[in-house]
Amino acid sequence: EADIYQTPRYLVIGTGKKITLECSQTMGHDKMYWYQQDPGMELHLIHYSYGVNSTEKGDLSSESTVSRIRTEHFPLTLESARPSHTSQYLCASSEYRAITYEQYFGPGTRLTVT
Amino acid sequence: RKEVEQDPGPFNVPEGATVAFNCTYSNSASQSFFWYRQDCRKEPKLLMSVYSSGNEDGRFTAQLNRASQYISLLIRDSKLSDSATYLCVVRGTGNQFYFGTGTSLTVIP
Repeated sequence: EADIYQTPRYLVIGTGKKITLECSQTMGHDKMYWYQQDPGMELHLIHYSYGVNSTEKGDLSSESTVSRIRTEHFPLTLESARPSHTSQYLCASSEYRAITYEQYFGPGTRLTVT
Repeated sequence: RKEVEQDPGPFNVPEGATVAFNCTYSNSASQSFFWYRQDCRKEPKLLMSVYSSGNEDGRFTAQLNRASQYISLLIRDSKLSDSATYLCVVRGTGNQFYFGTGTSLTVIP
């Protein structure tokens, strides 16, 4: 199982601020993902990366950016936070195990934009 | 059409009961299949991968029917600690993972 860390765990911030959510994993996994999840709802893919210098947009990516300069680090940046960004943000990485890729999640960042 | 569809429930069952969840997926080329468990306000945790021949892990049994594009999870002898939301997850051909909305289970004493 992967060790995935996310900081901060909770963040309350005002509208218009720039914020970066941090995600790190120590297992050397190439593939990493960012998801957004509202309470009681499904996970939506925001961005993903298949390795260093590789990033792709998911379904909800238009208001955020990511970078993948190091294998272990995959930060998510919101240039101008809005109340509609209030949600839980989950980072994940995946590894090949047995006969398939399995995905593991960090503890999440719960973001509130006021 | 959603990639993965699940009955959201809720399922309220007594301790010791057997409960089954079902899930369908839309892309016949999907590569891998999983069940995750998510507790309230926590991250999803991998419960088990689902193999073509079906597989069992203790009280949990997962089945895959590729012809019908259908995945199931059976929980036997339910415990209070099994109360959670169970997510059906499918990995597509492009290494993206698609999540169902989850099925809520409450095990009642």
